[in-house]
Amino acid sequence: GQQLNQSPQSMFIQEGEDVSMNCTSSSIFNTWLWYKQDPGEGPVLLIALYKAGELTSNGRLTAQFGITRKDSFLNISASIPSDVGIYFCAGQQIIGNEKLTFGTGTRLTIIP
Amino acid sequence: EPEVTQTPSHQVTQMGQEVILRCVPISNHLYFYWYRQILGQKVEFLVSFYNNEISEKSEIFDDQFSVERPDGSNFTLKIRSTKLEDSAMYFCASRSQLSYEQYFGPGTRLTVT
Repeated sequence: GQQLNQSPQSMFIQEGEDVSMNCTSSSIFNTWLWYKQDPGEGPVLLIALYKAGELTSNGRLTAQFGITRKDSFLNISASIPSDVGIYFCAGQQIIGNEKLTFGTGTRLTIIP
Repeated sequence: EPEVTQTPSHQVTQMGQEVILRCVPISNHLYFYWYRQILGQKVEFLVSFYNNEISEKSEIFDDQFSVERPDGSNFTLKIRSTKLEDSAMYFCASRSQLSYEQYFGPGTRLTVT
């Protein structure tokens, strides 16, 4: 089946640092979504991307839809303590396939 | 802001018992989904539902699983005879006709003993 690999698996950073993570696939996706999950809670939608090459921001978050349609990137600028959590990418092939295929996740920890 | 709600937050059941997990999607949404997440793993798709029928299901969604929209607000997932490996967080999600963005509920933690 389709696999979405995220890297890095985990990150340990200091407050105020910028963060970059990515998601790659062997398959083409027509939509990329980025979610954040806190322990014991459901994924919360951060950003949605619909076109190859698209760059979209949501506050301190910026995400890009890779030009090959097989990857996506998420950047967080000036990290703060509430950014701690697991970040998942999710890809969607719209035509006849509504399901979200989730990535393996990147766990972000902020070192005091 | 409207949100997806799920009940119960935690369900403990014995192997072989039936469970029903309940969801109230966002009110103007027409597309509904169930996903599950085994502890420490990624979120996996189970089923999508639109216009009172299943549009797609995964290999996980076998004959032991069923979904229903019994009224205008609820969306349920039933597992007929639970197995130990059904222990997981189950998330309901919904989306509107106008967007492909799926919004998730807080989940139900199912523990099968």
